[in-house]
Amino acid sequence: DAGVIQSPRHEVTEMGQEVTLRCKPISGHNSLFWYRQTMMRGLELLIYFNNNVPIDDSGMPEDRFSAKMPNASFSTLKIQPSEPRDSAVYFCASSLQGRGEAFFGQGTRLTVV
Amino acid sequence: AQSVTQPDIHITVSEGASLELRCNYSYGATPYLFWYVQSPGQGLQLLLKYFSGVTLVQGIKGFEAEFKRSQSSFNLRKPSVHWSDAAEYFCAVGALNAGNMLTFGGGTRLMVKP
Repeated sequence: DAGVIQSPRHEVTEMGQEVTLRCKPISGHNSLFWYRQTMMRGLELLIYFNNNVPIDDSGMPEDRFSAKMPNASFSTLKIQPSEPRDSAVYFCASSLQGRGEAFFGQGTRLTVV
Repeated sequence: AQSVTQPDIHITVSEGASLELRCNYSYGATPYLFWYVQSPGQGLQLLLKYFSGVTLVQGIKGFEAEFKRSQSSFNLRKPSVHWSDAAEYFCAVGALNAGNMLTFGGGTRLMVKP
């Protein structure tokens, strides 16, 4: 398996624009997580899906952030409108419920100018 | 709520020296514990995990960690550090009843002196 695949790897956008980050989890995994990593706040869990259903989105910072998982092999994280303080590295991870360990993608480095 | 504390933000060791990175957790039940490593510009790679049973767990790259329930600790160790071990290390506690949702510590950046 190719692991968790995220795209794009880097994104630079202007304030106010819509940004969509994409994730393909490992085949067969039924849990998917979106994390954000910043110097100030470290690794924060934004949202977690189980069997394509959002279970806990308490980490989503504002209504500008939304996430979807239309099927078991694809998820998106959207920021609309984007702001400079959204600049961070966004990681997607997947796991098989009951097995514990999560596997991370390479991340998307988002810069909002 | 679960939480993880990594008391050391930065650690510098000489190549060939031993290493111990500290991790303390707070969790209401038997924890599932993990150590991940992150090299610059990369994602997180799992080093090792503890679910139950033997409290000294072996991982990749010569790392090991010991679960001590009485101290709520899961410290990472390596007998002899290599320059390629320079990276950031994250301890995490998982909630299996919540789909393996992980809570991470703040990380420890390891620097290795030649």
